[in-house]
Amino acid sequence: DTGVSQDPRHKITKRGQNVTFRCDPISEHNRLYWYRQTLGQGPEFLTYFQNEAQLEKSRLLSDRFSAERPKGSFSTLEIQRTEQGDSAMYLCASSLISGRVDYGYTFGSGTRLTVV
Amino acid sequence: LAKTTQPISMDSYEGQEVNITCSHNNIATNDYITWYQQFPSQGPRFIIQGYKTKVTNEVASLFIPADRKSSTLSLPRVSLSDTAVYYCLVGDPNSGGYQKVTFGTGTKLQVIP
Repeated sequence: DTGVSQDPRHKITKRGQNVTFRCDPISEHNRLYWYRQTLGQGPEFLTYFQNEAQLEKSRLLSDRFSAERPKGSFSTLEIQRTEQGDSAMYLCASSLISGRVDYGYTFGSGTRLTVV
Repeated sequence: LAKTTQPISMDSYEGQEVNITCSHNNIATNDYITWYQQFPSQGPRFIIQGYKTKVTNEVASLFIPADRKSSTLSLPRVSLSDTAVYYCLVGDPNSGGYQKVTFGTGTKLQVIP
């Protein structure tokens, strides 16, 4: 297992277009998180899944954003009608929850989105 | 979740020991303290985690005083490759996970030749 993979690494899109990012977590991890990071700031939580269930969404996640994790494996994050304010690094992380113990995040390298 | 406060930036010369302090005045009884490192264009990477006193691994040491209202990440003999942003997080890994943890702005460490 090579860790958490994100695709693409970079995406440039025109305002108003839809974009979709993919995250492949560490295979034995049952939790998957999406974060957004803008320049000079720390990662901001967007949403997370446990297996295939989306358990929480931040208020930062407007109705233009949707995330899925079919079959509890990879996840996709789609942004519809992109705006320039969506330009950011989108980070995916996974972790293993066993019982109620979380063994900590492993992050991917992120997808850098630029909306022009 | 407990809020954390760190210096925005620090400079250090190569070969020196660097100590980065994080304040977490409202840390809860069951909270652990975790530090992550982030290089440009990469996701954060786990460095060290502790609950109290001192924890050491091959990368760093973490010092936590008895009142646990602060913690200090110590990096021995830094090199240029340690230039990165360091985040202090506080949360309870035994209560169902670190969901929606807040990273804050972190401390940008610049190592100077």
